Amino acid sequence: QQQVKQSPQSLIVQKGGISIINCAYENTAFDYFPWYQQFPGKGPALLIAIRPDVSEKKEGRFTISFNKSAKQFSLHIMDSQPGDSATYFCAAPPNTGNQFYFGTGTSLTVIP
Amino acid sequence: DGGITQSPKYLFRKEGQNVTLSCEQNLNHDAMYWYRQDPGQGLRLIYYSQIVNDFQKGDIAEGYSVSREKKESFPLTVTSAQKNPTAFYLCATQDRYEQYFGPGTRLTVT
Repeated sequence: QQQVKQSPQSLIVQKGGISIINCAYENTAFDYFPWYQQFPGKGPALLIAIRPDVSEKKEGRFTISFNKSAKQFSLHIMDSQPGDSATYFCAAPPNTGNQFYFGTGTSLTVIP
Repeated sequence: DGGITQSPKYLFRKEGQNVTLSCEQNLNHDAMYWYRQDPGQGLRLIYYSQIVNDFQKGDIAEGYSVSREKKESFPLTVTSAQKNPTAFYLCATQDRYEQYFGPGTRLTVT
């Protein structure tokens, strides 16, 4: 059973546009929701994260929106740039030290 | 210089040979993980360890083995029993809520 479901699998956006990636989770015990960014040939790196006590967190052009009742959270990239082209993973760590659940990833391509 | 070191970056082996991938960390994290990533695919968990001398199988452990004799080190052995070993392998550590990834090792078996 997939604990975190991510969509879309791939996304193409024009430079300056808004990129939106969605994730849904099942387990209400999840209490921290990070997004990771991975460039080709590199390891993923933490991009931004949110706790369920807030509905939105913004860092520069990156925003996480969180809907606790719907058990969904999404990543919004404003003014998308070609340098944002990467694979993005949502995740949910249930408890300290336990298995980390990742979404299946979204390949984002920003066209100049 | 803190972080996670994976070596080598590229590794080539002949079919039928066992190969060991190195993962070393100086972040003082107890939990360590090994993932496999195939082209265009997500992260699949191979093994993880929450403490020295203890480890658990992940979703795709068959054909792999690990050891955790030291807090800093979590080597992964890809055995000849692994049917499709060619992939990008990522090591990670975890503190309370976040995972930190190494640069990865790309293994090619021919």
